[in-house]
Amino acid sequence: SQTIHQWPATLVQPVGSPLSLECTVEGTSNPNLYWYRQAAGRGLQLLFYSVGIGQISSEVPQNLSASRPQDRQFILSSKKLLLSDSGFYLCAWTPRILNTGELFFGEGSRLTVL
Amino acid sequence: DAKTTQPPSMDCAEGRAANLPCNHSTISGNEYVYWYRQIHSQGPQYIIHGLKNNETNEMASLIITEDRKSSTLILPHATLRDTAVYYCIVRGWRTGNQFYFGTGTSLTVIP
Repeated sequence: SQTIHQWPATLVQPVGSPLSLECTVEGTSNPNLYWYRQAAGRGLQLLFYSVGIGQISSEVPQNLSASRPQDRQFILSSKKLLLSDSGFYLCAWTPRILNTGELFFGEGSRLTVL
Repeated sequence: DAKTTQPPSMDCAEGRAANLPCNHSTISGNEYVYWYRQIHSQGPQYIIHGLKNNETNEMASLIITEDRKSSTLILPHATLRDTAVYYCIVRGWRTGNQFYFGTGTSLTVIP
């Protein structure tokens, strides 16, 4: 069966520090991968999606970036965090083939920028 | 993707049916209606989806109007564990189409 993991689960970082959140999917090949962010009391905002290694599409211009160095690995990064980067970050995937449209989410990473 | 409109919050008595409405008046012919729910501090969970026929699974029923401009998610016997934020999403079937979540409906099931 397929599983998705992301880490760290919780992170407290000072303003201006770098960020790296990692997500991996197991049990499938060539997944579509996504990063979402949820600010406190808000809905989910799509940040990035990827349909293959090295292929990243950005939805919202900001100081965040994403990379996909391997087929089942998706990384969210920042060189210098802002207070507004605080939130709940969720990685998700969908199958490339036999895609019913169902989106599978990881456990989430809660980031607090102080 | 089409925009959806949902009431910000609803209450439902435990054991009663919860009917959550969603308006998607600009939906196009190849777009599906998806429902997800998010329990606090967890990732959203898929519930059900449909194109134009009504759908039912072990979690819920989805009723889509004939003109497809609105839909209703029905939880037939709400329990306290159904308290969550429910998102209605309209998405085209092609791989390049994305899931855009709005702010959803916060459902509170009352004992």
